[in-house]
Amino acid sequence: DIQMTQSPSSVSASVGDRVSITCRASQGISTWLAWYQHKPGKAPTLLMYAASSLQSGVPSRFSGSGSGTDFTLTISSLQPEDFATYYCQQGDSFPVTFGPGTKVEIK
Amino acid sequence: QVQLHESGPGLVKPSETLSLTCALSGGSLNSYYWSWIRQPPGRALEWVGYIYYTGSTHYNPSLKSRVTMSVATSKNQFSLKLTSVTAADTAVYFCARGPFCGAHCYRYFDLWGRGTLVTVSS
Repeated sequence: DIQMTQSPSSVSASVGDRVSITCRASQGISTWLAWYQHKPGKAPTLLMYAASSLQSGVPSRFSGSGSGTDFTLTISSLQPEDFATYYCQQGDSFPVTFGPGTKVEIK
Repeated sequence: QVQLHESGPGLVKPSETLSLTCALSGGSLNSYYWSWIRQPPGRALEWVGYIYYTGSTHYNPSLKSRVTMSVATSKNQFSLKLTSVTAADTAVYFCARGPFCGAHCYRYFDLWGRGTLVTVSS
C-alpha cells in the first residue's frame, strides 16, 4: 500500500494568515491526490482533487500543488470557518490511503 | 440537498458481526460507486471498500476476508457487514460517494456522511 504522511501534525494560526500543509506519498502518484476538510461531528468535505483542481463550491482561497511524491495545500487567508483537520488521500491505486491529518487551530 | 446518513448499533461484542446501513436522501444510488471508510480513534482514515449500484464490489485486501457490502437501490441504501470483530475494529465508520470509474477511475469521495461510532467491547 502507498503510505501517506503529512506535516505539520498541527498548526496554530490567526484569521488572515497564510497556511500551508505538506503531504508526501511513499511512491510517485503523479497528481492523483485529494484534500479533505473535516470538522468534528460533521461530514468530511472534498476540497481539491487531481492535486490542484478545486472542487465545486470550495472558496478560491484554497489551492493545491505538487506532483509525484510531494504536495501542498495552501489557504491564502485563513477564515474562521477554516479551523478544522485536513487530510490528503492518494487516488493512484487501490487501496486508496489517507494521511494522518493536520489540525489547523486558532492561535 | 443530497445527504448520506449512517446508522447501526454503536456497540458490538468481540467475535460478532458489525452491521451498518447508509441511507441516501435527495439523490439516487444509480450510476455511482459507494464506499465505506473508517477511522479508528487517533488513527488515519482507512478505506474499507466500495460497491457499485449494480452490486459489484471491491474490498481493501486487509479486510477482504471479513467484509461484505450490499446495495438496495429500491430503498436508496447500501450496507456493510464486518464479521469476527475485535477491539481493532472500533472506529467511526463513514459512508461516501466514490470512486468515479468509467474509462478512467477517479478515486476520490465527493460526498460523505457524518459517520457513526462503533465500539467493539464485551
